Amino acid sequence: GENVEQHPSTLSVQEGDSAVIKCTYSDSASNYFPWYKQELGKGPQLIIDIRSNVGEKKDQRIAVTLNKTAKHFSLHITETQPEDSAVYFCAASILSNYQLIWGAGTKLIIKP
Amino acid sequence: ETGVTQSPTHLIKTRGQQVTLRCSSQSGHNTVSWYQQALGQGPQFIFQYYREEENGRGNFPPRFSGLQFPNYSSELNVNALELDDSALYLCASSPGDQETQYFGPGTRLLVL
Repeated sequence: GENVEQHPSTLSVQEGDSAVIKCTYSDSASNYFPWYKQELGKGPQLIIDIRSNVGEKKDQRIAVTLNKTAKHFSLHITETQPEDSAVYFCAASILSNYQLIWGAGTKLIIKP
Repeated sequence: ETGVTQSPTHLIKTRGQQVTLRCSSQSGHNTVSWYQQALGQGPQFIFQYYREEENGRGNFPPRFSGLQFPNYSSELNVNALELDDSALYLCASSPGDQETQYFGPGTRLLVL
């Protein structure tokens, strides 16, 4: 079955700098890759997603890139702000299989 | 538009008891998925309901069961609770079984 690995487990960056979180997946049939942000005591919030027919997607300060050949995808956050501090999860699924398989999460800390 | 809501927010049970958790899907969504999130880990898929039928199941024992009602709200039932069932239980709704999932705030269950 699908396995998703996420790195790093903790990332500390200076406010205003960029942050990059990377995930790899094992099942080449996976074709949907969402990223969620989870704040303490809350449910995951979708921040961006990408499907396998697209190599990159951007939404303001957030971008996701996908390399299907290498089976990895990355989240890029530019001009980080204190409110970006949270745990970020990547996930992968085969859309016909409905199950999201999640990475272990990255705790992002924005230093003032 | 109302988002995904879950009740109760917190629950304490003892080993061997039974529990029912509830989820109201976002308006216009006919699909509900349930996930278990242990502390410090990514969510694990339990099962999904699409138009009142179970549409897939993860690696959870039969004592985890569910229902979806005609208004697309859903229940998760867990029988014979074990200490390891202590977790955050997340409900996600989507407009179809192959669409983006939007999460509720979760129910935190503690089994003593």
